[in-house]
Amino acid sequence: QSALTQPASVSGSPGQSITISCTGTSSDVGDYNYVSWYQQRPGKAPRLIIYDVTKRPSGVSDRFSGSKSGNTASLTISGLQTEDDADYYCSSYTSASSFIWVFGGGTKVTVL
Amino acid sequence: QVQLRESGPGLVRPSETLSLTCTVSGGSISHVDYFWGWIRQPPGKGLEWVGYIYYSGSTYYNPSLRSRASISVDTFQNQLSLELISVTAADTAVYYCAGYIITTPGAVDYWGQGTLVTVSS
Repeated sequence: QSALTQPASVSGSPGQSITISCTGTSSDVGDYNYVSWYQQRPGKAPRLIIYDVTKRPSGVSDRFSGSKSGNTASLTISGLQTEDDADYYCSSYTSASSFIWVFGGGTKVTVL
Repeated sequence: QVQLRESGPGLVRPSETLSLTCTVSGGSISHVDYFWGWIRQPPGKGLEWVGYIYYSGSTYYNPSLRSRASISVDTFQNQLSLELISVTAADTAVYYCAGYIITTPGAVDYWGQGTLVTVSS
């Protein structure tokens, strides 16, 4: 089961916007709107920040937004803050495997 | 508010069986709206689904584990369990108990704090 492809790292200065990509195939990201994003701070469990490509759970800052184009989903963090310094993972439904959920390899976001 | 808490040995010998329990509070493990499962994360690496279970007892496992995993629920104790047989060093990871609501497929919004299991002799 192949993982979704994410950049290993992305960085930005406070106040800037950054975008993290999550590239899959027509068997996952491209054909299904079950893309989720998670934030994981060091030593902590992941936290759901985006689901169904674009939706935010209650309590998640509107600085986080999700989108999708073709086989690539994206997470944008606007107005970058020091607290956004963390690892981010995407996840998607996949029809290419007997197991329907797959994660991306993760992206380390560094706030400069 | 649903809360999950994992428990189990932190050290397992190679070739033996890893056994973990997750106690669910604030919600019923047999509720029709939930899927419950296990996600693991090797040190310094990414997330990987181990598998998950529905209240009906239907189970789904990551094929990468090559049929070594078994997930079950104890509705009386409101607990979820994981057994992973024939472990090797590659199974060393933080194991998270996790859950998601059926109306938001795959969106894991319930996580335990995680428990580190080291496979070593």
